[in-house]
Amino acid sequence: IAGITQAPTSQILAAGRRMTLRCTQDMRHNAMYWYRQDLGLGLRLIHYSNTAGTTGKGEVPDGYSVSRANTDDFPLTLASAVPSQTSVYFCASSVETNTEAFFGQGTRLTVV
Amino acid sequence: LAKTTQPISMDSYEGQEVNITCSHNNIATNDYITWYQQFPSQGPRFIIQGYKTKVTNEVASLFIPADRKSSTLSLPRVSLSDTAVYYCLVGSRDSNYQLIWGAGTKLIIKP
Repeated sequence: IAGITQAPTSQILAAGRRMTLRCTQDMRHNAMYWYRQDLGLGLRLIHYSNTAGTTGKGEVPDGYSVSRANTDDFPLTLASAVPSQTSVYFCASSVETNTEAFFGQGTRLTVV
Repeated sequence: LAKTTQPISMDSYEGQEVNITCSHNNIATNDYITWYQQFPSQGPRFIIQGYKTKVTNEVASLFIPADRKSSTLSLPRVSLSDTAVYYCLVGSRDSNYQLIWGAGTKLIIKP
């Protein structure tokens, strides 16, 4: 089934550890996004990529990095996790910037 | 950045038409209006997008007045499964533009 896949589904991580959240889409979408969603709140954009080879900072980029080596993959890395990064992380993609976005099922990350 | 204001919560009953209004007073000329639906523990799902007047698809209608300072998402004949959070977003398709998500409207459908 075509779509967007995130891994892992959930993770408990010790503070200070490095972690990469994976995101893959098979729709050949140009734009991809990483959001975090804290309990009861809306989504906040972490990083985005308008096309392979380019990335940009969103609303809350500190402590996170991304890469876009190809069209399909957009991994999000936490270099040294902190408890405030406990959240649900959603990856999304769209044909072009801010057109209909398709979201993954999310990664629930707990930093202890 | 165009900011949106929508009700925090709404209740309705099965079979009714539900209208959720979003205010976006500082919408820019190039901005589109987009609505998403989110169920608990799931990623948001696109509902509809429009620029002006009226847009209709198989699940909803979007009404945008001439001044574009507000918009109304209309859900016909809702069911219990329409209970969700609904987000209104405003923004352009400029490659450097970042959509801002508010807290959304929590819609509860009662039997």
